[in-house]
Amino acid sequence: DTAVSQTPKYLVTQMGNDKSIKCEQNLGHDTMYWYKQDSKKFLKIMFSYNNKELIINETVPNRFSPKSPDKAHLNLHINSLELGDSAVYFCASSQEGRALGNGYTFGSGTRLTVV
Amino acid sequence: SQQGEEDPQALSIQEGENATMNCSYKTSINNLQWYRQNSGRGLVHLILIRSNEREKHSGRLRVTLDTSKKSSSLLITASRAADTASYFCATGPDSNYQLIWGAGTKLIIKP
Repeated sequence: DTAVSQTPKYLVTQMGNDKSIKCEQNLGHDTMYWYKQDSKKFLKIMFSYNNKELIINETVPNRFSPKSPDKAHLNLHINSLELGDSAVYFCASSQEGRALGNGYTFGSGTRLTVV
Repeated sequence: SQQGEEDPQALSIQEGENATMNCSYKTSINNLQWYRQNSGRGLVHLILIRSNEREKHSGRLRVTLDTSKKSSSLLITASRAADTASYFCATGPDSNYQLIWGAGTKLIIKP
């Protein structure tokens, strides 16, 4: 019954590999996000999808590609992983407009370590 | 981009005391939200205050907003060890989607 679930929780991989992180929300929210949190705890928005449509695409390397097959899923694929990609990646969802008072619901994070 | 700036960066108090954290921002907002992040976990939404509100309460939490000073404060009364976490403010300039985050205040409650 987890509201926003992302897998895997931990991911250790070598430089140059390609990996994916999956996210699913069962809240019926229409907007989903990917955030990167660095070692200093700064949260940086990467992408946002509203009803499967990309609405925010911050300056991230094009090695990162989000995919939203439906409004309940937003996956993140990363090609040619680099050491600097090591971070915690959070998926989140929200309902734009009404129910604004509930803010964002976050997943528990995926700790990516590139070696 | 980081808009909100939490102050202090870190705060350590005794259990039972009140903890106050501040957040300042630069541009006009539609709403301001506070989140808690326990170590190794995702962020949890605590409270949202809209730009036309001045104060809001939720349990032991009290949030104030001063739009003339572009600042907000989060007060946690009668702190408990379980309140140990990082607290983030996030501002919503217009719609819900584009929250802008601060760097967080790390709160430690000593037993």
